[in-house]
Amino acid sequence: DTAVSQTPKYLVTQMGNDKSIKCEQNLGHDTMYWYKQDSKKFLKIMFSYNNKELIINETVPNRFSPKSPDKAHLNLHINSLELGDSAVYFCASSPQGNYIQHEQYFGPGTRLTVT
Amino acid sequence: LAKTTQPISMDSYEGQEVNITCSHNNIATNDYITWYQQFPSQGPRFIIQGYKTKVTNEVASLFIPADRKSSTLSLPRVSLSDTAVYYCLVGPMNTGFQKLVFGTGTRLLVSP
Repeated sequence: DTAVSQTPKYLVTQMGNDKSIKCEQNLGHDTMYWYKQDSKKFLKIMFSYNNKELIINETVPNRFSPKSPDKAHLNLHINSLELGDSAVYFCASSPQGNYIQHEQYFGPGTRLTVT
Repeated sequence: LAKTTQPISMDSYEGQEVNITCSHNNIATNDYITWYQQFPSQGPRFIIQGYKTKVTNEVASLFIPADRKSSTLSLPRVSLSDTAVYYCLVGPMNTGFQKLVFGTGTRLLVSP
């Protein structure tokens, strides 16, 4: 009964490859997010989707492309991977409407290592 | 978005009360104060949120003075499992999406 799940948990790949990380939430939330946590533990938002529509797109290289097939899923595709993409990527979700402000539910993270 | 400042690290012992203070001098009128907890190799977890005065839940208490330029997260009787990074966030209300801005956080180490 995991609330926010991500696959894979670990991903090791070589520079130049294309990879995807999947995220699913079973909380019925309308909004989903992708965050990147680098080696210095800084956690930064990358994207946010609300009901399958992109609403936040931070300064992220266009090699990163989120895709939301439905409001329960938000996948992250990364093309032409670079060494600097190595980080932990977290998916999160939040409800819409009468809820606690700023309460987001995070997944367990995907540790991406680019060699 | 209001910038936050909190201690980089704190040490405590089991059973003690821990207070982590966060400064947010340029907090706006419609900003909420939110605290998250992150254990190693896990995603952040929402702890508590407040706007003014005091908020208490089963995990922690949040004290906010009248000028709202700072806030204090209070963890009663910490245990080893409270060792984590604690983030203070300040941001406006939104009815739709939420753009959380995480700072460097405070690394709390609880020892036996």
